Amino acid sequence: IAGITQAPTSQILAAGRRMTLRCTQDMRHNAMYWYRQDLGLGLRLIHYSNTAGTTGKGEVPDGYSVSRANTDDFPLTLASAVPSQTSVYFCASSYSSSQGDEQFFGPGTRLTVL
Amino acid sequence: GQNIDQPTEMTATEGAIVQINCTYQTSGFNGLFWYQQHAGEAPTFLSYNVLDGLEEKGRFSSFLSRSKGYSYLLLKELQMKDSASYLCAVSDSNYQLIWGAGTKLIIKP
Repeated sequence: IAGITQAPTSQILAAGRRMTLRCTQDMRHNAMYWYRQDLGLGLRLIHYSNTAGTTGKGEVPDGYSVSRANTDDFPLTLASAVPSQTSVYFCASSYSSSQGDEQFFGPGTRLTVL
Repeated sequence: GQNIDQPTEMTATEGAIVQINCTYQTSGFNGLFWYQQHAGEAPTFLSYNVLDGLEEKGRFSSFLSRSKGYSYLLLKELQMKDSASYLCAVSDSNYQLIWGAGTKLIIKP
């Protein structure tokens, strides 16, 4: 693989179900991020990780959890999905979390919670 | 609070020039990014400004005035493939990106 990948591409989920969105990068980037994108709103940061083994909360972390066991993978878990979590989810990575490092985005996961 | 403002939608003609403005109020400033996002796709990086002035990169240029909390993206010689949303994002005091809602640019022949 080259770059950053996400799975699944899209998913329809019943409310109350647990779901894990997968994200893998092969660029050896230290920092990774999860965003959600909703119509009329800017990208909103859910969780981030500045380096393997560490994670932090973004602007909208409630209802989501993440882990960063290694450099490449950064899964996002919805413990009990609710309809308001219907969104497009983007995973991104950057060489570091410092000034000026551009973020590279995965293709996104379109999630619908019914 | 933190706020990034940009126009919701703009229309321009193929071959022309368009300027997309972005104003911001954030807790700290560690640079401003512009990204392009085609419909149904991921955002891709266009430019980064941290000092005042104009950065030129081919048909695209980006300007920053930190004292005014203002940036613009200038697109020259517009092509149909430039039809996309353009996202402005500011790196705040924690180096986290605060994103505007994006400007949808429609190019007409």
